[in-house]
Amino acid sequence: KAGVTQTPRYLIKTRGQQVTLSCSPISGHRSVSWYQQTPGQGLQFLFEYFSETQRNKGNFPGRFSGRQFSNSRSEMNVSTLELGDSALYLCASSGSTGRQPGYGYTFGSGTRLTVV
Amino acid sequence: KQEVTQIPAALSVPEGENLVLNCSFTDSAIYNLQWFRQDPGKGLTSLLLIQSSQREQTSGRLNASLDKSSGRSTLYIAASQPGDSATYLCAVPNYGGATNKLIFGTGTLLAVQP
Repeated sequence: KAGVTQTPRYLIKTRGQQVTLSCSPISGHRSVSWYQQTPGQGLQFLFEYFSETQRNKGNFPGRFSGRQFSNSRSEMNVSTLELGDSALYLCASSGSTGRQPGYGYTFGSGTRLTVV
Repeated sequence: KQEVTQIPAALSVPEGENLVLNCSFTDSAIYNLQWFRQDPGKGLTSLLLIQSSQREQTSGRLNASLDKSSGRSTLYIAASQPGDSATYLCAVPNYGGATNKLIFGTGTLLAVQP
């Protein structure tokens, strides 16, 4: 059973550019979440999608956006990149549809974004 | 608001030792708790998922316990090996409204010396 696939693994972008990251969840999982990890802030929740709908968004500026397609694949976009956006971006999928105790999360290998 | 704390922040042990990592959470109304391992620059690997109705869960040399009433979980690693060196994170789901998100602890950086 394939895991969570994130592409690309590494990205180097210049300030002011925009970037799109992709995440393919485990087959059958409809919940996809995105997290940003930096040395100073740890793991921070960006947003969660379920059946093509954004259910919640973390405390990030509007430059961070995402979407989910009908096959549950998700993309996140960061516009007008800043140096502080350099981070490891992690995607997680879950078989849970809501308040269900039986499901955990499976993470991808992440995309390392460096803004120069 | 749920807060998750991990102690110690860092731990260095010689190979072969048994060790315990601690995770505390402030709101005991959790559905489950998940332990992850993260190698430098890599994603998170799920180690154990322990449900709120369970007291412990085992996988190989790993054993996780859960005490909801005291807001604590421990991860026990038996006969540690250099390959166990990594950051260990615990996390609980926060089902606020219709959302799913994980609340992570700050992590324990483990170094196992050969």
